[in-house]
Amino acid sequence: QQQVKQSPQSLIVQKGGISIINCAYENTAFDYFPWYQQFPGKGPALLIAIRPDVSEKKEGRFTISFNKSAKQFSLHIMDSQPGDSATYFCAANSGNTPLVFGKGTRLSVIA
Amino acid sequence: DGGITQSPKYLFRKEGQNVTLSCEQNLNHDAMYWYRQDPGQGLRLIYYSQIVNDFQKGDIAEGYSVSREKKESFPLTVTSAQKNPTAFYLCASSIIRGSQPQHFGDGTRLSIL
Repeated sequence: QQQVKQSPQSLIVQKGGISIINCAYENTAFDYFPWYQQFPGKGPALLIAIRPDVSEKKEGRFTISFNKSAKQFSLHIMDSQPGDSATYFCAANSGNTPLVFGKGTRLSVIA
Repeated sequence: DGGITQSPKYLFRKEGQNVTLSCEQNLNHDAMYWYRQDPGQGLRLIYYSQIVNDFQKGDIAEGYSVSREKKESFPLTVTSAQKNPTAFYLCASSIIRGSQPQHFGDGTRLSIL
């Protein structure tokens, strides 16, 4: 019930391509879905987040798509750049409970 | 600048020793959290606290202890009972008005000598 399942575990994308990372959840009480970006030796940083009253949110090259009926949400990185190479985590929570994290996706953008 | 400070950046522990990891925040956040990160395991919750002098166990609390004597500080002690302490430890904080993002420090890497 509390799990967030993230895929793929690793991803290699050509520079300029689209990176897509998917997450699925089971707890229908979840009402907040953030994505975090983490570089080696650093803490995760909030990238973009969505709440279930909208199906899509875009910030620059980053877009979250949210499918409430399927209990899935995904991160799309358009025009992927080598500087986007990092580990990405999806997460979810409800109310004042701690975030539940996926296991992460290691993205490598190659020139 | 507001943020979360974790110290030290690197920490080494001998077998049988307790070590304490520091976490301080100046964001005036009510809630603070400790996570453990291992390769391929994501972030696993150790303990969290939503108010001074109160804290709750997370998914992997065994072998760890915490205190919350001040709103700004949430130190984590890795005790000798934690048999596999080598990991990257992350501290986070958040406000607690509904679902809110957590802000992270830059972590402490603990290794066993």
